[in-house]
Amino acid sequence: AQSVTQPDIHITVSEGASLELRCNYSYGATPYLFWYVQSPGQGLQLLLKYFSGDTLVQGIKGFEAEFKRSQSSFNLRKPSVHWSDAAEYFCAVGPRSNDYKLSFGAGTTVTVRA
Amino acid sequence: DAGVIQSPRHEVTEMGQEVTLRCKPISGHDYLFWYRQTMMRGLELLIYFNNNVPIDDSGMPEDRFSAKMPNASFSTLKIQPSEPRDSAVYFCASSLGGADEAFFGQGTRLTVV
Repeated sequence: AQSVTQPDIHITVSEGASLELRCNYSYGATPYLFWYVQSPGQGLQLLLKYFSGDTLVQGIKGFEAEFKRSQSSFNLRKPSVHWSDAAEYFCAVGPRSNDYKLSFGAGTTVTVRA
Repeated sequence: DAGVIQSPRHEVTEMGQEVTLRCKPISGHDYLFWYRQTMMRGLELLIYFNNNVPIDDSGMPEDRFSAKMPNASFSTLKIQPSEPRDSAVYFCASSLGGADEAFFGQGTRLTVV
């Protein structure tokens, strides 16, 4: 069964500092990979996704993620964090088949301090 | 497009009552998903539809839960009877293709007392 692990429950970062959120997955083959962001009281918004090709994926809001097959990881990064980036971030995986069931990680809450 | 629209945003009900959550997907999207989010279990997929047909309901926790999609622009998730452990945020999402970007509604926060 596919699974997603986000090892960090909570991260605090200073505004302007860099951010990296970890995501590891367990799956028999390379799945589709996604990062979503959830602001308080809101639904989830897609930041970026990886299907194939270049393993460094650019997303919205200045985020990027790198797929590393050897490490079964898909870590999310941002070079300089803004206060508005305070939110919960979810990594998700989906199979490359007609079974369109995304599995979400437990989420990482990001706090940005001034 | 206004995005995925869910109603109500908040629902407080007494144990044993019937609860109906509503969702209007983005026009033209063929897939509709119902998720439940709790602190303990995170985000769980309950059921998803393709072209109004339920494809996988293996995530529906019990027979008390049912979902319908009578047409391409409307879906309901019903809990009857409701129990306190059903308290959660329920999200509806839609997408063009199953593996494509899923657009989420703002969710319905359900509290069963």
